[in-house]
Amino acid sequence: GAGVSQSPSNKVTEKGKDVELRCDPISGHTALYWYRQSLGQGLEFLIYFQGNSAPDKSGLPSDRFSAERTGGSVSTLTIQRTQQEDSAVYLCASSPGASNYGYTFGSGTRLTVV
Amino acid sequence: QKEVEQDPGPLSVPEGAIVSLNCTYSNSAFQYFMWYRQYSRKGPELLMYTYSSGNKEDGRFTAQVDKSSKYISLFIRDSQPSDSATYLCAMSKNTGNQFYFGTGTSLTVIP
Repeated sequence: GAGVSQSPSNKVTEKGKDVELRCDPISGHTALYWYRQSLGQGLEFLIYFQGNSAPDKSGLPSDRFSAERTGGSVSTLTIQRTQQEDSAVYLCASSPGASNYGYTFGSGTRLTVV
Repeated sequence: QKEVEQDPGPLSVPEGAIVSLNCTYSNSAFQYFMWYRQYSRKGPELLMYTYSSGNKEDGRFTAQVDKSSKYISLFIRDSQPSDSATYLCAMSKNTGNQFYFGTGTSLTVIP
């Protein structure tokens, strides 16, 4: 597609429920990233994919968080047993390859855990 | 201590003013420096990037990097109301793919 597409744009869930967030990167982009943006905290790196493999998942905050990417395209970030501190905007980005010169972000999924 | 520090503002300036936005960092391994602009309810969009020390100009925007002081700046000349947004600095090391972001500075340009 023309840009990075994320769905849903907003998600309200009850504490303890599982959620899945989807990212559809720019067509042909092999690198995909997930970041989390909390109020006053800036963007926090979660995980990086090159193709379908994740050479860097160092930012995942706990084993409740997991992500996968299939077909070198769509990625899903799953949060199990959500907690209130998981409330944030989850941003996905993609780039043509491993890049130190910036990448293109989607508009994010705003997750609220109540 | 965070690796990247950025004054959150908010910063409010009249239209036409010169705006200076700054970040400091602690890790000398950072080699690539970027500025992103983020409008409300949108993802960040890349404005400028530089490698190592020096200046880079693009239209009304100038990015400066001083690695000896671990200090980067973004200058906006002839600021416009459409420049009202949050500005995020970001940087990365020579290897790896993780970007380290500042918390963002909120800018309002008043007509």
